[in-house]
Amino acid sequence: DAGVTQSPTHLIKTRGQHVTLRCSPISGHKSVSWYQQVLGQGPQFIFQYYEKEERGRGNFPDRFSARQFPNYSSELNVNALLLGDSALYLCASSGSISNQPQHFGDGTRLSIL
Amino acid sequence: SQQGEEDPQALSIQEGENATMNCSYKTSINNLQWYRQNSGRGLVHLILIRSNEREKHSGRLRVTLDTSKKSSSLLITASRAADTASYFCATANALAAGNKLTFGGGTRVLVKP
Repeated sequence: DAGVTQSPTHLIKTRGQHVTLRCSPISGHKSVSWYQQVLGQGPQFIFQYYEKEERGRGNFPDRFSARQFPNYSSELNVNALLLGDSALYLCASSGSISNQPQHFGDGTRLSIL
Repeated sequence: SQQGEEDPQALSIQEGENATMNCSYKTSINNLQWYRQNSGRGLVHLILIRSNEREKHSGRLRVTLDTSKKSSSLLITASRAADTASYFCATANALAAGNKLTFGGGTRVLVKP
């Protein structure tokens, strides 16, 4: 079975632009979470979606939004990009809403110029 | 903010030696998970240990959990060059909804052949 897939793998944007990142979870997984990983640090939680509803939100500004589709894939949107948004954005899926391992994709490397 | 704190931040060992890294956290947890990340890639789930468990094994990996000290350790026995990676602990907060993971800053392990 395919693992978690993310697209695109790399993206270069300029300040003020908007970006959409996409994630397809492992088949059968209904929970998708998004994390931001700045170089040299551990991942930071952004959102969790389960059964198309937001189930958790991290300490990120309203410029960050996400949604989950009926097929459980997900999009992360970031508006008004800042230099500090440069990071690896990771998507993870799991089989249930809690107490389960999360399976990560290889991420989208976002660079802001 | 990051809950887990890994120690040491970096570790350099010879192939065949054991590697031990520690993680401390601050809140009550449902479970604690260890992940491995190769440079620029996604995270690979290694072990999940629940709050009512004290020790778990998986192949060459051994994880302990001491909830009274809010700490965990990961032992990699008979290390190989392929074990070179960053290792992260992540906690699932018992008081938070969903499957949000809070990661530490990681331990960078170099296994020299």
